[in-house]
Amino acid sequence: NAGVTQTPKFQVLKTGQSMTLQCAQDMNHEYMSWYRQDPGMGLRLIHYSVGAGITDQGEVPNGYNVSRSTTEDFPLRLLSAAPSQTSVYFCASSSLTVNTGELFFGEGSRLTVL
Amino acid sequence: AQTVTQSQPEMSVQEAETVTLSCTYDTSESNYYLFWYKQPPSRQMILVIRQEAYKQQNATENRFSVNFQKAAKSFSLKISDSQLGDTAMYFCAFMKHGGGATNKLIFGTGTLLAVQP
Repeated sequence: NAGVTQTPKFQVLKTGQSMTLQCAQDMNHEYMSWYRQDPGMGLRLIHYSVGAGITDQGEVPNGYNVSRSTTEDFPLRLLSAAPSQTSVYFCASSSLTVNTGELFFGEGSRLTVL
Repeated sequence: AQTVTQSQPEMSVQEAETVTLSCTYDTSESNYYLFWYKQPPSRQMILVIRQEAYKQQNATENRFSVNFQKAAKSFSLKISDSQLGDTAMYFCAFMKHGGGATNKLIFGTGTLLAVQP
C-alpha cells in the first residue's frame, strides 16, 4: 500500500518558471490538501479538496492553483514561481467517511526558486 | 479563528529521561481533535498521539502521553524514557470536528527536541 505519493522530491526552478507538484493517494480518501513548511512557521494550508471537482483555499493560496479531477490525484501548480515560494511542500489526505481526523502525509517535496 | 502556540522552539533531554513539550490553543469550538505529530530528519510527518476534545481521559501511546486541560486550552506531550530515535521536530495541531467541518489541520510552529546520549 503506497499511501500518499508526492513527486518530485526535489526541484530547483528559476523565477518565473512554472511547474506542477504531483500528489496521488491510493486509500480512496475524500479529503486531500497541500501544506507548505517554512522555518519557524510550522505547516500552513495552501489549498484543500473534499472530493473530486471540489477545491477551496487555505491560509496561503496566492500563487498556487489546484484541481481535483479524480479522487486519487491532487496536483499543485505554480504558474510563475517566485523566490518566496521556496519551501517544503506536503500533500496530505484523510477519509471523511471513517473520520478519525488523522491526516496521512506524503514524504514532502523541497522546492527552491532562484 | 483557531491558533496553536508552541512556546518552546528547542528542547534537549538526556536519554532515558522524561521531557514535556508545551502547547496551547485558542478556539471557540467545542468539538475538535488535538494532535502531536513528529517530524524526524527524514522529513516524514508521523502521528504520535490524538486526543478528542469530548474525552476527559488523557490519551496514551506507549511512552507518549498527553496532559489535556480543556478549560485552560492546554495540550502538553510527555515523552517518558526518551530514546535517541525521539530526536525530531514535534508539532502540535488542532482540527475542528463535526458540523460540516473539513479536516483542515492548524499547526503550531514546532519544538525541536534533541535527545542526548
